[in-house]
Amino acid sequence: GIQVEQSPPDLILQEGANSTLRCNFSDSVNNLQWFHQNPWGQLINLFYIPSGTKQNGRLSATTVATERYSLLYISSSQTTDSGVYFCAVGMDSSYKLIFGSGTRLLVRP
Amino acid sequence: DAGVTQSPTHLIKTRGQQVTLRCSPKSGHDTVSWYQQALGQGPQFIFQYYEEEERQRGNFPDRFSGHQFPNYSSELNVNALLLGDSALYLCASTDMWRQGVGNTEAFFGQGTRLTVV
Repeated sequence: GIQVEQSPPDLILQEGANSTLRCNFSDSVNNLQWFHQNPWGQLINLFYIPSGTKQNGRLSATTVATERYSLLYISSSQTTDSGVYFCAVGMDSSYKLIFGSGTRLLVRP
Repeated sequence: DAGVTQSPTHLIKTRGQQVTLRCSPKSGHDTVSWYQQALGQGPQFIFQYYEEEERQRGNFPDRFSGHQFPNYSSELNVNALLLGDSALYLCASTDMWRQGVGNTEAFFGQGTRLTVV
């Protein structure tokens, strides 16, 4: 089955720093989502981005479907950005989302 | 606009017992999927319900079963609980009719944290 790999697994930043999270996937996908999981466990939708580039405030994402990767950019990080970031993909032949193992981000004040 | 809601938020059960978790999808959504998230891991797909039928199932034993009601809400049932069933159970809803198979943005509830002792 399709493999989804996220890097780095852990990231510690000082408040105000920028960061790039990466998601590689091993097969063609037609659905890609980025989520932020808060300390209470809820998955917050960041981007639905099977291809192209999107921006939402300090966050932006780019998916290059032909090269099978997606990037999530966080600029001017804040302590509230801390948590786990997941990339999840979906394929034409399947209804399910396949998640990566996540990037655990800690932003220090 | 009501988001995905799950109940209860926390649950403690004893090995061998049965548990039922509930999910109401986002307003306008007709499809519900269930995921299990063990500590420190990404969510794993259990199954998906659409038009009151199980459409796809992940690699989970028959102890895990579900149901979807005419109002699109769903239940996840787990029988003969094992210690390893302790996890966060997440419900996701999508709009299958509008966006077509495989091209759906999923929205998740806050989860039910199940502890089996």
